[in-house]
Amino acid sequence: EDQVTQSPEALRLQEGESSSLNCSYTVSGLRGLFWYRQDPGKGPEFLFTLYSAGEEKEKERLKATLTKKESFLHITAPKPEDSATYLCAVQSETSGSRLTFGEGTQLTVNP
Amino acid sequence: DARVTQTPRHKVTEMGQEVTMRCQPILGHNTVFWYRQTMMQGLELLAYFRNRAPLDDSGMPKDRFSAEMPDATLATLKIQPSEPRDSAVYFCASGLRSGGATGANVLTFGAGSRLTVL
Repeated sequence: EDQVTQSPEALRLQEGESSSLNCSYTVSGLRGLFWYRQDPGKGPEFLFTLYSAGEEKEKERLKATLTKKESFLHITAPKPEDSATYLCAVQSETSGSRLTFGEGTQLTVNP
Repeated sequence: DARVTQTPRHKVTEMGQEVTMRCQPILGHNTVFWYRQTMMQGLELLAYFRNRAPLDDSGMPKDRFSAEMPDATLATLKIQPSEPRDSAVYFCASGLRSGGATGANVLTFGAGSRLTVL
């Protein structure tokens, strides 16, 4: 069974204070690791897909990296508008099209 | 901008009543998912379809929940009878195969249906 654990549960940063969110996973044959952003009252919004260890993807102040056991979402010089819950999910060779989600990290960036 | 449309956005009902939630997936997507989100459990998969055929509904309480896709533009999730523990946000998502050859499946989520059962 695929498992995803995210840490920390909540993170509070000052504007401009860089940090990283962690996603540890256990799967049988990774097809893809996904990062989503969720704002209050809305559905998750797709950010990145990573396929293999060593891969990195960037979008504005966000950079996602992947190893064989975990993924990091690095946030460089965050702004208040980056405040959201960040969700990690995996799709494996045994899960078909299903995604298994972690419980998320709630990020708050104070001005 | 292509999007997944869910109705109703909010529903308050009494225990024992039937609830039906509807979803219009993105045109051209061939996989449709129903997830439930609560504070305690996070996002849980209830059911999913490929080409309108149900592939997995193991996450649903079978005695009260049912999911169908009458056609390619409509997916429904029905709860009968509803119970207070069903209170949650229900998300529909539709799937687009990524550009890679791995079969990874990028999902686009709707805004959700918030259900409160009193």
